This record gives sequence, C-alpha cells and structure tokens, in this order.
Amino acid sequence: SQTIHQWPATLVQPVGSPLSLECTVEGTSNPNLYWYRQAAGRGLQLLFYSVGIGQISSEVPQNLSASRPQDRQFILSSKKLLLSDSGFYLCAWSTLPYGYTFGSGTRLTVV
Amino acid sequence: AQSVTQPDIHITVSEGASLELRCNYSYGATPYLFWYVQSPGQGLQLLLKYFSGDTLVQGIKGFEAEFKRSQSSFNLRKPSVHWSDAAEYFCAVGAGNNDMRFGAGTRLTVKP
Repeated sequence: SQTIHQWPATLVQPVGSPLSLECTVEGTSNPNLYWYRQAAGRGLQLLFYSVGIGQISSEVPQNLSASRPQDRQFILSSKKLLLSDSGFYLCAWSTLPYGYTFGSGTRLTVV
Repeated sequence: AQSVTQPDIHITVSEGASLELRCNYSYGATPYLFWYVQSPGQGLQLLLKYFSGDTLVQGIKGFEAEFKRSQSSFNLRKPSVHWSDAAEYFCAVGAGNNDMRFGAGTRLTVKP
C-alpha cells in the first residue's frame, strides 16, 4: 500500500536559521509530489510541485525552495527563515483521479 | 484554471442535527471533486470523491456528497452529526493535469 512519511512533526526555529523538511513516499513510483502551507485559520496554499526527479515548479515567490533528489523524496528548504514562514506544512502525492494522499504535517514555529 | 469556493468559514451545529457544507467550483470540463477532513494538528484525510457516474457519492464516516453540474456545486452532507465530526473540511477540485485546488475550508463546531 502507498504511504507517505513527513518529518519532523513539530519544529521551533529562530529567525535566520536554515530549514529542511523531508517527505518520502512508499508503494508507488514516479509520483507527483506537492508541498502545501497552511497558515493559522487559512486554507491550503500550494508552494511547490514536482512531476519527477529534479523537476520543481514554484507556485508563489517566497523564501523557500524545494528539491527532489530521488523519485520518492521531496525536500522543502530555506537558507534563512522569516517569522512569516511559520505555519503548518503538508506534503502530498497524487495520482488523479484518485486524489491526494497527505502526510501528517509539520508545525513550524519561527521565533 | 479550476477554483473552489467554500462560502461558509465556520458552521456550528448541535450533535445529532443534520449537516450540509457548501462547495462551489469553477472548471470548464467535468471536474474531479473531493472532500477532505482535517482534525487539529493533523494531515488531511479523504472523505469521498467524485469522478463520474452516480452524482450522489458515499464516503467514510457516514458522509455523502452530491454533484450538481447545473449549480457547479458539490455539497457535503451528513444526516446526524457526532461530536467527533468537529474538524476543518476542505473541498477540492482536480483537473486532468494532476493539479488540484482547495477551498479555504469550513470549520465545523459541534455543540453538545
């Protein structure tokens, strides 16, 4: 069966520090992978998506970047965190028309 | 590109009462439609989905949704709400290019 792993679950980082969030999927090959951010009380904002190794599309300009070094690995990074980067980050993979499967999320607090 | 509107930011219902959460979409072709539920601090769980065929779809946890093409709607319903249904609900529309857009969500509060 397909599963998706996302870690860490919670993270508190100081402003200006680097960030690395990792997401891996199992039980599928060549998935489309996505990073979403959910700010407090708001909906889901698509940050990045990837249709293959090394292929990254950015939806919004921001302080974050994404990489896909392996077929089933998707990493969200930042060189210097801002306060506005705080939020709940969700990784997902999809094979339409079956919808998305989401990871359990990472709660990032930048202090 | 497709888009989704969930008109209700927050809904409060009494336990045992019926529930309907509204979702309207915009898309030029037949969409793929989804409802997800998110408990606090958790990821999103798929409740149900519509691709084609019967416009009334059944999902998990006693939820159902009806696709109405004429109204561009995909409203989520449950005949009797339980306290454990309190959560955030997201409607989503997918296109054939593996792109999916989510509504802003509706937060459901259940009163005892």
